[in-house]
Amino acid sequence: DSGVTQTPKHLITATGQRVTLRCSPRSGDLSVYWYQQSLDQGLQFLIQYYNGEERAKGNILERFSAQQFPDLHSELNLSSLELGDSALYFCASSVGGQGGTGELFFGEGSRLTVL
Amino acid sequence: GENVEQHPSTLSVQEGDSAVIKCTYSDSASNYFPWYKQELGKRPQLIIDIRSNVGEKKDQRIAVTLNKTAKHFSLHITETQPEDSAVYFCAASKGGSYIPTFGRGTSLIVHP
Repeated sequence: DSGVTQTPKHLITATGQRVTLRCSPRSGDLSVYWYQQSLDQGLQFLIQYYNGEERAKGNILERFSAQQFPDLHSELNLSSLELGDSALYFCASSVGGQGGTGELFFGEGSRLTVL
Repeated sequence: GENVEQHPSTLSVQEGDSAVIKCTYSDSASNYFPWYKQELGKRPQLIIDIRSNVGEKKDQRIAVTLNKTAKHFSLHITETQPEDSAVYFCAASKGGSYIPTFGRGTSLIVHP
């Protein structure tokens, strides 16, 4: 158990809909990262938050947004869903900042299926 | 931005053989190179990492080598076992941000 909790584990929805994925980082970790893993694809970096502030953006679509709340949990919002958004979405956390070792601790992932 | 290339995409070996996975990176400022293992249906987990101030690191049956001049690094697994079967991802990152750019992964299959 990595200590990172993601919900829901599975989600099936229709095109055009909106979903929210939730992540609770390990106790003490200030950084949260979101990654998308599609079939036969690697781990595509979407966005990073550190202590409530957006720190870095990767290949995140404009239809997607995220935030990190004061209690450090994070939510990834996916809207106007398309078939191609079907993927496994991972949240990871780390200590972050200068005190970090670099290791990311991944949650179990949220598998999104868009029909 | 950083670009990480990983080869091969699939590697099939017999139990007891060695396996080598190679990665190259593009940004000479990258200084941290972790390797993650993802078993089927599971989350990625760090198995070993190396920083740019060392050329090699070992942990039991696994080792990682780094050639900064050539900008490539490799994962070596000796005496492979069926439980080593998984997808392995290399990554590169830099500075205090530690946001890794991942390779596309190598599916390692160890046949008993």
